[in-house]
Amino acid sequence: EAGVTQFPSHSVIEKGQTVTLRCDPISGHDNLYWYRRVMGKEIKFLLHFVKESKQDESGMPNNRFLAERTGGTYSTLKVQPAELEDSGVYFCASSQERDWYNSPLHFGNGTRLTVT
Amino acid sequence: AQTVTQSQPEMSVQEAETVTLSCTYDTSESDYYLFWYKQPPSRQMILVIRQEAYKQQNATENRFSVNFQKAAKSFSLKISDSQLGDAAMYFCAYRSGGFGGGSNYKLTFGKGTLLTVNP
Repeated sequence: EAGVTQFPSHSVIEKGQTVTLRCDPISGHDNLYWYRRVMGKEIKFLLHFVKESKQDESGMPNNRFLAERTGGTYSTLKVQPAELEDSGVYFCASSQERDWYNSPLHFGNGTRLTVT
Repeated sequence: AQTVTQSQPEMSVQEAETVTLSCTYDTSESDYYLFWYKQPPSRQMILVIRQEAYKQQNATENRFSVNFQKAAKSFSLKISDSQLGDAAMYFCAYRSGGFGGGSNYKLTFGKGTLLTVNP
């Protein structure tokens, strides 16, 4: 089966610009997560979708970040306007809704975002 | 809130030797899960091993085993017979709740330990 795919793999933008990251989960996975790792720090949870609904968005840093998952398939994470502190690696992950205990969390390769 | 601490930013090991990566965590919960994830260079993060807090027996997956000390809130990973392919960033992670905790994978991660395997 195809894994979790993320686009782009790298993005370099200037402060104040807008960037949209995309994540395609594994087909059939209702759960989709966004995580972020700022250089030298922990990987932090951003939010969790179940199908198209936001189940938990407690980790979203501020209102410059907008995540969507229309139709319950792929998800986008938009940062507008980007700030220097938004630089980091953004990971997407997915898992099955049922039998989560035996269904591991699958991560994508991540999108490395650099804001200059 | 839960926290996960990995005190070793970098570790190195000789091929075929054994290495132990440290992880401590802080929580007031009694039911939780602990994980070790591995991220090889430029590749996806994958699950190495998982431990349920209610289980006293330490989890083992082939060359990978954990030393889970619940009272001390310690969860170290031992890699035996290290191989070149074990070189990666290793992350320790915590998940709240037992079976009643819902189906989410809201994980709390440590900062990671970069493991180098020397031939």
